[in-house]
Amino acid sequence: GDSVTQMEGPVTLSEEAFLTINCTYTATGYPSLFWYVQYPGEGLQLLLKATKADDKGSNKGFEATYRKETTSFHLEKGSVQVSDSAVYFCALSDQYGGATNKLIFGTGTLLAVQP
Amino acid sequence: DTGVSQDPRHKITKRGQNVTFRCDPISEHNRLYWYRQTLGQGPEFLTYFQNEAQLEKSRLLSDRFSAERPKGSFSTLEIQRTEQGDSAMYLCASSSQIGTGLGYTFGSGTRLTVV
Repeated sequence: GDSVTQMEGPVTLSEEAFLTINCTYTATGYPSLFWYVQYPGEGLQLLLKATKADDKGSNKGFEATYRKETTSFHLEKGSVQVSDSAVYFCALSDQYGGATNKLIFGTGTLLAVQP
Repeated sequence: DTGVSQDPRHKITKRGQNVTFRCDPISEHNRLYWYRQTLGQGPEFLTYFQNEAQLEKSRLLSDRFSAERPKGSFSTLEIQRTEQGDSAMYLCASSSQIGTGLGYTFGSGTRLTVV
């Protein structure tokens, strides 16, 4: 079945460092891909998304490109801030006709940014 | 619209008791999902409604679990004869788009602790 694999954390960075969180997926068909963020004590928030190959999702300085050839959707940010400290989840959703469109999540990556 | 609401936010119950959670989706969303998230893991799909019809159930949803969505509005998730392994965050999400890859709106979740 469909699945998502993301790098294990925690990832600890200093402020203004470059961030990459790797995410790869296995899916039949052509899923949509998402990054969700969960701040301490809060619910899941959509960070960015991409619906087809070569699409780039971006939001709040974060970017991820849908790479069909490598089945990847790595999350990047050029300069992290302390406020980016959170758990980041990569997810996919089936998009074929009649699909449930349920989300399948990776296990999450904890990012800790130190001042 | 204030988003997806879940009630209660926290529930502590004794093993063997029944519990019921409620989810109020965004009013114009016809799709509603329940997920379960255990500590250190990504959310796992439990069940999906399109309007009032429950169209998919995960194998995670044992016969002690039942979900309803009368009239296609709010939804309830009931767990009968709770077990310690049921302790988790139960998340509700809603969506209105089909096949467009738009993200879902999540509620803040109900944290269940079975003692």
